[in-house]
Amino acid sequence: GDKVKQSPSALSLQEGTNSALRCNFSIAATTVQWFLQNPRGSLMNLFYLVPGTKENGRLKSAFDSKESYSTLHIRDAQLEDSGTYFCAAGTGGYKVVFGSGTRLLVSP
Amino acid sequence: EAAVTQSPRNKVAVTGGKVTLSCNQTNNHNNMYWYRQDTGHGLRLIHYSYGAGSTEKGDIPDGYKASRPSQENFSLILELATPSQTSVYFCASGGLGGRGEQYFGPGTRLTVL
Repeated sequence: GDKVKQSPSALSLQEGTNSALRCNFSIAATTVQWFLQNPRGSLMNLFYLVPGTKENGRLKSAFDSKESYSTLHIRDAQLEDSGTYFCAAGTGGYKVVFGSGTRLLVSP
Repeated sequence: EAAVTQSPRNKVAVTGGKVTLSCNQTNNHNNMYWYRQDTGHGLRLIHYSYGAGSTEKGDIPDGYKASRPSQENFSLILELATPSQTSVYFCASGGLGGRGEQYFGPGTRLTVL
């Protein structure tokens, strides 16, 4: 099965609404990264987390290593938030494992 | 600003031909990575390196070689390209041993005919 499972796989939001994305891990994740892949294909770093929470503007992320999950909250969604969100779990070695992504479409 | 660059950005190759994808980073990171991204998949690790002169197999290394001649440069080599290697390839760099945050280049779109 998937070592890093992202949900939902796709999501549609209206501008100004809030939502949460989730990653569940079946591996012993010690770090989590969240990325946004924009419609042009570029991968932008959003958060890098050890267990705990971080906030940046309208985005907030949490990582609970004991319960093996991470969340990304989007507040007041904007059109430019559209794209595919990936989480990637590190387990202390050199490699990380990516989830399959959540495709987000924000509409006016 | 520190950056990861890739060349070429687009490449069309013929089956059986040799393809070299290049990556350069100015982050001064020890670790570099090559991934491929296909529809329906996240990013899958092909090869990685933890320093100049080192290359390690990732999760899907078959059909690919890698070369790390310097701290800044990491190449992915397809000796005999096949249509199944048509994909988007991303290079990344990361620091702090295995716990470092990874930073990605813009990607190379490879089509093998």
